[in-house]
Parts: sequence; C-alpha cells; structure tokens
Amino acid sequence: IAGITQAPTSQILAAGRRMTLRCTQDMRHNAMYWYRQDLGLGLRLIHYSNTAGTTGKGEVPDGYSVSRANTDDFPLTLASAVPSQTSVYFCASSLRDSSYNEQFFGPGTRLTVL
Amino acid sequence: GQNIDQPTEMTATEGAIVQINCTYQTSGFNGLFWYQQHAGEAPTFLSYNVLDGLEEKGRFSSFLSRSKGYSYLLLKELQMKDSASYLCAPFDSNYQLIWGAGTKLIIKP
Repeated sequence: IAGITQAPTSQILAAGRRMTLRCTQDMRHNAMYWYRQDLGLGLRLIHYSNTAGTTGKGEVPDGYSVSRANTDDFPLTLASAVPSQTSVYFCASSLRDSSYNEQFFGPGTRLTVL
Repeated sequence: GQNIDQPTEMTATEGAIVQINCTYQTSGFNGLFWYQQHAGEAPTFLSYNVLDGLEEKGRFSSFLSRSKGYSYLLLKELQMKDSASYLCAPFDSNYQLIWGAGTKLIIKP
C-alpha cells in the first residue's frame, strides 16, 4: 500500500441496507477524515479522528458512524442507507503534529443509494 | 457562520495567466490551503499560506491577506492539463479545514 486507499471504488446500494466504506493509510498519520462531495457543494466533513481511539462529529454526521481501532484504518458505516446519501465519499489523513495539517486524500468511493 | 466564496467557473486560454479569488469568513484562522481536483479524482495539495504575502511554486503562486479574509491562486503559462477545479480551504480555530465549493477552470486552446 502506498498512501491512502479506499474500497470499494463504487457501489450501488438498496435503501435500508447497511454499508461500510473502508479506508486504510500507511503513512502513520495521526488524523483521519471522512468527507462527502456533492455536485455544486464543497467537501463536507462527516466524521474525523485526531488519533487512534478517538472520533469526532463533523458538519454532516447524521446517518453515519465511524471507528478508529488503530492508526491505519478508519471505516465509515451507513447503518441504513437513504437516497440522500448518494454521493462521492473521500477519506483523508494528515500528520497533525503542528499547525501545518496538509490532508492527503484517497481516490474516493462513488455510492449510489436507490 | 463560516463561509467561503469563490467564483463557480472561469475560462482562460492556454498560455495565459489566470487568478482565482477566494474570500473567507471563519471562526478563527490558522492558515489556508489550495487544492486542485481533476474531474472524477481526489483533491491534491497545491499550496499553503499562513502569513500574509505571496508564496510561489513554479507556475502556481498563492497570496494571502489575513486582515481582508482574502486569498488568490495565480496560475501562469496555462496548460490544458490545468483544467480542473480549484478548492480554497482555510483552517478554522479548531484546525479543521473549511472547504469552498471550488472554482471550475476551463482552459481553451
């Protein structure tokens, strides 16, 4: 693995189903983030984790949950998917050891909820 | 509230210069990033400003005025591959990035 990876690349999901989007980084970054990106809108933060074992809510957390059991992995779960969760989801990570906090992004997961 | 304002779309000619403006209002400020995003791809880092002034990096430069809540990205010698969206993202007081909707830059031959 080089950098940050996400799986799956894309998914079509029936409403009401449970879905976990996976994110893994091998850069030993402390902080990780989940964003959604919708046409005409900026990236919106769903959840974040400043360090393994801790998580926090972003701007649009409802309907999503996360866990951070270790440094490398940060899965995002949709407990019961709804059509409004159709979006492109990006996972990102950053070192976050100072005020400089460049975020590195995974390739994204394109999710369609029908 | 927190707000980022960028033009939605701009068009420029190959070989020319273009300036993309960004004004922001955030609760606290700890620097500002510019990212590039090609269609269907992830955002990638372009520049970072924390102090007032101009940061130059090859064909790309970024300017910051903290007192005015203003930044711009200057792209010189435009190439077709520069066609992308450019995202302005200041840090707020919690060191969270606040993302603008981005400026779609179209380069014409």
